[in-house]
Amino acid sequence: QKEVEQDPGPLSVPEGAIVSLNCTYSNSAFQYFMWYRQYSRKGPELLMYTYSSGNKEDGRFTAQVDKSSKYISLFIRDSQPSDSATYLCAMSVNNNDMRFGAGTRLTVKP
Amino acid sequence: GAVVSQHPSRVICKSGTSVKIECRSLDFQATTMFWYRQFPKQSLMLMATSNEGSKATYEQGVEKDKFLINHASLTLSTLTVTSAHPEDSSFYICSAGAGPRNIQYFGAGTRLSVL
Repeated sequence: QKEVEQDPGPLSVPEGAIVSLNCTYSNSAFQYFMWYRQYSRKGPELLMYTYSSGNKEDGRFTAQVDKSSKYISLFIRDSQPSDSATYLCAMSVNNNDMRFGAGTRLTVKP
Repeated sequence: GAVVSQHPSRVICKSGTSVKIECRSLDFQATTMFWYRQFPKQSLMLMATSNEGSKATYEQGVEKDKFLINHASLTLSTLTVTSAHPEDSSFYICSAGAGPRNIQYFGAGTRLSVL
């Protein structure tokens, strides 16, 4: 079993849809949870960062962490074509040992 | 804030040559920098962790004599791919840890093609 599981997709949605991206993990010691967005041939860009459990909102993006279920989610409201990218979840115990999901490729169609 | 610059963005070289990639934290000091490798349509694989002023810590299976890492200052780390071969062709990405929780911010990546 991989430490971090993420459905690679691809996921295709119409513009304006709510997008739900998810990851599960096996290491209960993880306490830092990140979502990165990566455009083709570019480095990952930090979108959201959460420490321990709970929700965090930033504009159209909401990150949720459920440590009891070892499950994290990223929601994108009112999705735009510019949101089309690969979304990587990442998590770590102390940020020196970050583990990434496989990445979900998202396409938002106009 | 938290901008990481990686240079060059693209390298094409002949087999047997060495290639140096630079990673700079532009607006913060990074005690720790990380080097990753990414194959097409795959996630990032950590190659090594470098701490300023000390030797890098390599992940299992990564040849330290092949991938030389130097972290000479709090804003600069370099990765040198020595005697590059076609199988070293890949996308290399660096990141730098920022703030008290060492959140990683990434460079734009370097695409290496070895002919």
